[in-house]
Amino acid sequence: ETGVTQSPTHLIKTRGQQVTLRCSSQSGHNTVSWYQQALGQGPQFIFQYYREEENGRGNFPPRFSGLQFPNYSSELNVNALELDDSALYLCASRMDKGATYGYTFGSGTRLTVV
Amino acid sequence: AQSVTQLDSQVPVFEEAPVELRCNYSSSVSVYLFWYVQYPNQGLQLLLKYLSGSTLVKGINGFEAEFNKSQTSFHLRKPSVHISDTAEYFCAVSDRGGGSQGNLIFGKGTKLSVKP
Repeated sequence: ETGVTQSPTHLIKTRGQQVTLRCSSQSGHNTVSWYQQALGQGPQFIFQYYREEENGRGNFPPRFSGLQFPNYSSELNVNALELDDSALYLCASRMDKGATYGYTFGSGTRLTVV
Repeated sequence: AQSVTQLDSQVPVFEEAPVELRCNYSSSVSVYLFWYVQYPNQGLQLLLKYLSGSTLVKGINGFEAEFNKSQTSFHLRKPSVHISDTAEYFCAVSDRGGGSQGNLIFGKGTKLSVKP
């Protein structure tokens, strides 16, 4: 197992800019989800991809978008950054569509919007 | 819809003492239950999960949790903590029936601080 790798680890952006965060999942993990963890809060579900199609979305606006690629990598894109987007963004992957195996989480990308 | 309440935001405890981190959930459907640990500047690591069967679940690092359906609780326990257990602990649920595609709903976390 290679685990889940996220890049970059830290990022500082200016309000209004766009950002792309990247994730490399474990081989064979067809499902990838992204979570936003604001300071002092639990992670909140942004969206989920299964075999390159979005199949679930939390309460986040359309300026949060994503992609999943056949090589088990994925991206989270955020347009028109706002100060409240400052958070730790976590990528998580699992083998199947269901939740029985639980997710494997990456170490996250710490995004600061100034 | 599901929600998770972690009743204590911070739990200070002395080394080698027992600890219990409390978690209650609310859901209109049957759920799977999870505990994750987050060390500083790291992602989440799965401690244990309840899927079915025995309501007492044993996890890594000596932790265990008990599922109580009538009280909708899933409290995490360890009989003797170490300094290295200092971290933030998150309780989470997901829809057993696959609703919302199995995504996790987290509590706000409990910071466990183990003192020498």
